[in-house]
Amino acid sequence: GQNIDQPTEMTATEGAIVQINCTYQTSGFNGLFWYQQHAGEAPTFLSYNVLDGLEEKGRFSSFLSRSKGYSYLLLKELQMKDSASYLCAVSRLRGGATNKLIFGTGTLLAVQP
Amino acid sequence: SQTIHQWPATLVQPVGSPLSLECTVEGTSNPNLYWYRQAAGRGLQLLFYSVGIGQISSEVPQNLSASRPQDRQFILSSKKLLLSDSGFYLCAWSLGQVAVGYTFGSGTRLTVV
Repeated sequence: GQNIDQPTEMTATEGAIVQINCTYQTSGFNGLFWYQQHAGEAPTFLSYNVLDGLEEKGRFSSFLSRSKGYSYLLLKELQMKDSASYLCAVSRLRGGATNKLIFGTGTLLAVQP
Repeated sequence: SQTIHQWPATLVQPVGSPLSLECTVEGTSNPNLYWYRQAAGRGLQLLFYSVGIGQISSEVPQNLSASRPQDRQFILSSKKLLLSDSGFYLCAWSLGQVAVGYTFGSGTRLTVV
């Protein structure tokens, strides 16, 4: 089976930095994704890590440690529009079948003025 | 460029009524297609995925079924809706076994009353 854990809610201040953690346990690991989802909308892709280390993309960075089953999403210079749910998702590849994304329950981030 | 269309955007249906949600993808061939459900305050749950016409894999036992009559068309159905079928239904597509991120449709908010 698989298990993906991330905090339910977080609060941060505009202009600050916030780190959202995700731990996972799964077989057939084939990469970790972060998605952003605003209320009532579809998730949109933020980042992808398959090797250990940090991937930086503008104000957003994502880190992966495969040996620890751990990832984090780092958001810098927070803006009010960053208030959203952030979904950690693990890609699983089993027996040559297509990759499947298994999602955590998401972290609801509230950015305050 | 590839686009994914999902409709309707919102739907209110009585218990016991049938359901048909449609998803189509444009600008690509032989995509992998997925149906997810997101209950209120919950994560995304994978319901079905398809790697080709007529090929459907079910992830969880439930009151729903899926079909893929054409390469770029994915349909989610039910003969008799239950209250527990309420949720936000999302269609997504990806290509091949490469662990690329999914692209989601805009979603259907289903309320069973």
